[in-house]
Amino acid sequence: EAAVTQSPRNKVTVTGGNVTLSCRQTNSHNYMYWYRQDTGHGLRLIHYSYGAGNLQIGDVPDGYKATRTTQEDFFLLLELASPSQTSLYFCASSDAWGAGYAEQFFGPGTRLTVL
Amino acid sequence: TQTVSQSDAHVTVFEGDSVELRCNYSYGGSIYLSWYIQHHGRGLQFLLKYYSGNPVVQGVNGFEAEFSKSDSSFHLRKASVHWSDSAVYFCVLRNYNQGKLIFGQGTKLSIKP
Repeated sequence: EAAVTQSPRNKVTVTGGNVTLSCRQTNSHNYMYWYRQDTGHGLRLIHYSYGAGNLQIGDVPDGYKATRTTQEDFFLLLELASPSQTSLYFCASSDAWGAGYAEQFFGPGTRLTVL
Repeated sequence: TQTVSQSDAHVTVFEGDSVELRCNYSYGGSIYLSWYIQHHGRGLQFLLKYYSGNPVVQGVNGFEAEFSKSDSSFHLRKASVHWSDSAVYFCVLRNYNQGKLIFGQGTKLSIKP
């Protein structure tokens, strides 16, 4: 079965702090995604990638950077964290993007609090 | 513009009752519609999808959903809920030619014993 892991599971930082959220998938999927989940908004796409070294901008990218170092690893970086980035962050992977449905497999989430 | 709307933020039913979770979408082209489930403290899991053909699609654990083009809807149903069905359910739209998912706001289903 598909496996997506995230670390840390919980993180507290202060305004202006530097945070890196990590995601690893062992599904051999090409596509990986970072979402944030906020009450009343469902999940919103921050960044995604279709392979090592590739990065695509999602719907809510402001204040976030991301880097895909290998097929397995995708990182989300908050270089100057702000309280508005307090949220639940999910990583996901899938093996296709275009025609043909590709189920996305989600990690367990990272709860980030910015004080 | 592609949008997904789940009108009920919270639905509460008794164990053994039937339930319908409502989803309406807005998009004029070819789309996939799906439902994902999120148990407390967990990531989302795929439940079922519709693209074409029979408008009633079956998913895991007795869930089914019915597509209606005329109503722009894709409601999720279950005939008899179990306490383990307590979760948040997301209706999700995907443009046929694009991989990006558009999520509804989610409906929290609570099951009373």
